[in-house]
Amino acid sequence: EDQVTQSPEALRLQEGESSSLNCSYTVSGLRGLFWYRQDPGKGPEFLFTLYSAGEEKEKERLKATLTKKESFLHITAPKPEDSATYLCAVQATLGGGSYIPTFGRGTSLIVHP
Amino acid sequence: GAGVSQSPSNKVTEKGKDVELRCDPISGHTALYWYRQSLGQGLEFLIYFQGNSAPDKSGLPSDRFSAERTGGSVSTLTIQRTQQEDSAVYLCASSLWDADTQYFGPGTRLTVL
Repeated sequence: EDQVTQSPEALRLQEGESSSLNCSYTVSGLRGLFWYRQDPGKGPEFLFTLYSAGEEKEKERLKATLTKKESFLHITAPKPEDSATYLCAVQATLGGGSYIPTFGRGTSLIVHP
Repeated sequence: GAGVSQSPSNKVTEKGKDVELRCDPISGHTALYWYRQSLGQGLEFLIYFQGNSAPDKSGLPSDRFSAERTGGSVSTLTIQRTQQEDSAVYLCASSLWDADTQYFGPGTRLTVL
């Protein structure tokens, strides 16, 4: 069974204080790992897709990296508007099957001014 | 272009009533997913449609839940004889094809009194 564990569950940072969120996963064969941002009362917003170990992607203050067992979302010099819940999901390669992703419970990030 | 839309945004109902939740996916997206998100929980997969194939209903929690997708576009999730434990945010997502990035709607918040 595919599993995704995100840590920490909650993170409080001061504006400008860089940090990383972790997503550990177990999957029979990884097709893709996804990061989403979710603001209160809204649906998840797509950030990144990573497909293979060693891959990195960046967007503004966010950088996502991938190894064979985990992914990190690095936040550099965060601002209060980066406050949100960050979700990680993995999609397995299933021969002839469907590609239903497994989601973690998310990390709730609060950035104080 | 237009994103995924869901209606209603909020629904309050009495225990035992039936409810219908609607999802309009992004035009041209062949895959459509329904998820449920309860407070403090991750996204729980409910049902998945891909083109004209039979839907994957493996995530539906009971036979009170059903969904259909008409014309490969709009989808309706129906919950019969609602129970208080059905209270949650119901999210719909669509993707261009089944192994592609999912784009989420804003969700429907269901409250069963």
